[in-house]
Amino acid sequence: QVQLVESGGGLVKPGGSLRLSCAASGFIFSDYYMRWIRQAPGKGLEWVSYISSSGNTIYYANSVKGRFTVSRDNAKNLLYLQMNTLRAEDTAVYYCAREYSGSSLDHWGQGTLVTVSS
Amino acid sequence: QSVLTQPSSVSAAPGQKVTISCSGSNSNIGNNDVSWYQQLPGTAPKLLIYENNKRPSGIPDRFSGSKSGTSGTLGITGLQTGDEADYYCGTWDNSLSGGVFGGGTKLTVL
Repeated sequence: QVQLVESGGGLVKPGGSLRLSCAASGFIFSDYYMRWIRQAPGKGLEWVSYISSSGNTIYYANSVKGRFTVSRDNAKNLLYLQMNTLRAEDTAVYYCAREYSGSSLDHWGQGTLVTVSS
Repeated sequence: QSVLTQPSSVSAAPGQKVTISCSGSNSNIGNNDVSWYQQLPGTAPKLLIYENNKRPSGIPDRFSGSKSGTSGTLGITGLQTGDEADYYCGTWDNSLSGGVFGGGTKLTVL
């Protein structure tokens, strides 16, 4: 069965860095576009980043552009999100998700919590 | 302020029907498919509807979707207490070159 497992979250000081990972299994990872979505405590969903199946096409939300970098290793079935210059407003649960038809997201990980605080 | 506009809350009695609207613009819903997600408390979102009106396998036909112009609608019939959750619409925005979500609608089954 399809499984996405995020890791790498934790507590970091403002201005610090973290790298999130998303381990994929149960499907041909290299065939699918992937996304990162986040959800601040008590708030709604916010799209963060998109990466094509080959990694050649990447998009970012304006709120993270220039600070976050998405990448993938299709040989290892891993998706990454490198987060630099973190701010308090980046505090959220970060989900990785698989893109399905019509830009829908048919499988989500359980999420990993990132807390940016001094 | 979300790009897509949803009511913050809706409520109905068990067994009744409810609809949740999602309003956008030509740069998003007007030219792209709408999907809908259910998020139960403390869990990850779950896909309910894709391509405006299609249900993934395992989603009961009590859930339906439609799209007209720059708006999408989620319908839920035969409401159950287990349907109490937050519901989000989502799509792609061509002007932003990014995904967008509605602010979410909290469904209460009275």
